[in-house]
Amino acid sequence: GAGVSQSPSNKVTEKGKDVELRCDPISGHTALYWYRQSLGQGLEFLIYFQGNSAPDKSGLPSDRFSAERTGGSVSTLTIQRTQQEDSAVYLCASSLVLGPTEAFFGQGTRLTVV
Amino acid sequence: GIQVEQSPPDLILQEGANSTLRCNFSDSVNNLQWFHQNPWGQLINLFYIPSGTKQNGRLSATTVATERYSLLYISSSQTTDSGVYFCAVERSPGANSKLTFGKGITLSVRP
Repeated sequence: GAGVSQSPSNKVTEKGKDVELRCDPISGHTALYWYRQSLGQGLEFLIYFQGNSAPDKSGLPSDRFSAERTGGSVSTLTIQRTQQEDSAVYLCASSLVLGPTEAFFGQGTRLTVV
Repeated sequence: GIQVEQSPPDLILQEGANSTLRCNFSDSVNNLQWFHQNPWGQLINLFYIPSGTKQNGRLSATTVATERYSLLYISSSQTTDSGVYFCAVERSPGANSKLTFGKGITLSVRP
């Protein structure tokens, strides 16, 4: 696609429910990244993919968070048993290759846990 | 991990004024990007500038990697320049392949 696309744009969920956030990177970009932006924490890195592989999951905040990428393209970030502190904007980015290259961000998914 | 400090935290300008936004970082970097976050929350790429100087219209940026800072210049500011400006860096060597963001500079341009 022309840019990084994320869906949904907004999600309101009840505490304890599971949510799935989707990211469709720029066509041909092999590297994909997830970040989270919250009021108290700024922009924090969660996880990156090189192809379908995520070598380092240490940035995920807890074991309730997981992510996968299939076909070297679309990625989903899943949050199980959501908590109020999970409320944030979740941003996805992609770059042509992994490493020091320009990253492009999607518009984000605003998650509100009530 | 690497520390990124941006200054000033807030900036108010009259339309037409010029400004300089600063980004200091604590370690060697092989990637530095400036972003503008628009009112809808999207991060818009301004510059990919791990070193050197670039210009794009009224905006220009300079990164002096050896002295660990980058500057973003906005000339003849417009109300549409308002928003939050982020500097983000990737540490060299790129062990984690992640961008570390500063806290951002909130710019308000008054008509």
